[in-house]
Amino acid sequence: GEKVEQHESTLSVREGDSAVINCTYTDTASSYFPWYKQEAGKSLHFVIDIRSNVDRKQSQRLIVLLDKKAKRFSLHITATQPEDSAIYFCAASGNNYAQGLTFGLGTRVSVFP
Amino acid sequence: DMKVTQMPRYLIKRMGENVLLECGQDMSHETMYWYRQDPGLGLQLIYISYDVDSNSEGDIPKGYRVSRKKREHFSLILDSAKTNQTSVYFCASTQGAGDEQYFGPGTRLTVL
Repeated sequence: GEKVEQHESTLSVREGDSAVINCTYTDTASSYFPWYKQEAGKSLHFVIDIRSNVDRKQSQRLIVLLDKKAKRFSLHITATQPEDSAIYFCAASGNNYAQGLTFGLGTRVSVFP
Repeated sequence: DMKVTQMPRYLIKRMGENVLLECGQDMSHETMYWYRQDPGLGLQLIYISYDVDSNSEGDIPKGYRVSRKKREHFSLILDSAKTNQTSVYFCASTQGAGDEQYFGPGTRLTVL
């Protein structure tokens, strides 16, 4: 089955700088790549996703890049703010309902002043 | 207001007891999921439900079963709970594959 590796377990960034989280996946059939944010003691909250028919997507300060050849995707958080501090999970799935989402292990992002 | 609810939020059980975790959603989503989250293991998929009485095993179904008798409710059952089932359990729902999954607040289960 699909395996997703999230390369950074922790990231510490100065407020205003960018944070980049990298993930790789194994299944070439995967076509949907969402990102979730989990604040301390809370549930997962969707932040942005990208599908395999595009290689870049932006939503306000969030940019997702997808490199299908390398089976790699990344989340860029630009102009970081204290409220960006959280654990971020990347995930992957195909178009097959049966697969659900396969998650990475998460990256703890800390934004310091 | 799109919402996934989970009950109870916290539960302590003794080994061998039965456990019922309940999940509800108000979005008429067809597909629902149960995951568990453990430190160092991330989120792992336990079961998927495509609609009423249409369920499929996920990656770690052993020791669990599910029930979906109404589209808006999806239950996770642990028959004779084990200590290694201590975890945080999340329910999620989605309209379809490739769509955003909405997560519930989670149930923290401790099996002593």
